[in-house]
Amino acid sequence: GAVVSQHPSWVICKSGTSVKIECRSLDFQATTMFWYRQFPKQSLMLMATSNEGSKATYEQGVEKDKFLINHASLTLSTLTVTSAHPEDSSFYICSAREGTGSPDTQYFGPGTRLTVL
Amino acid sequence: GQQVMQIPQYQHVQEGEDFTTYCNSSTTLSNIQWYKQRPGGHPVFLIQLVKSGEVKKQKRLTFQFGEAKKNSSLHITATQTTDVGTYFCAGPNTNAGKSTFGDGTTLTVKP
Repeated sequence: GAVVSQHPSWVICKSGTSVKIECRSLDFQATTMFWYRQFPKQSLMLMATSNEGSKATYEQGVEKDKFLINHASLTLSTLTVTSAHPEDSSFYICSAREGTGSPDTQYFGPGTRLTVL
Repeated sequence: GQQVMQIPQYQHVQEGEDFTTYCNSSTTLSNIQWYKQRPGGHPVFLIQLVKSGEVKKQKRLTFQFGEAKKNSSLHITATQTTDVGTYFCAGPNTNAGKSTFGDGTTLTVKP
């Protein structure tokens, strides 16, 4: 149980284009989803917290107009990187929190490796 | 704000040696989670500790939660090459509805 999928697993795009990343909880309803960014050999950097049906809460320094987050259902959250630039190249990982049992436990998706040319 | 610190940042051991990573929080935690991220992979949930002084074991892995619920440790006995990866601890930042992750300890094992 507690499987989270992420799509696509990798994407290469041209500078100036937008990229949408999907995060799905496959066998549970996720009350909260999180989006992280991770640079090589570095820790997880939380970008935003997303609750179903409400606006995402962004961490300080994360541009909400550049990283659009939509959490339309209890099983799906999307992150859209708008007008991507090479400095946006990174490993983006989502996680989902079930909210019952171990309410603080996060289940991570496999990540999306974004390369902006 | 809440800070979660992990030491060491890196640990290189010979296969068969033991390994320990320590996690310290600036605030008292209601619980703590441990995750493992293999090279090129994503974090995978290992365990959650809730009670003061709690000790849990998973085969060669032993997890402890401090009496004051501000620190935790992960100990691996007789490391194997399959243990390589980065181990993260995380504690809930309940006021913000999120968790604070430590920077992780990266373990490499020489066969």
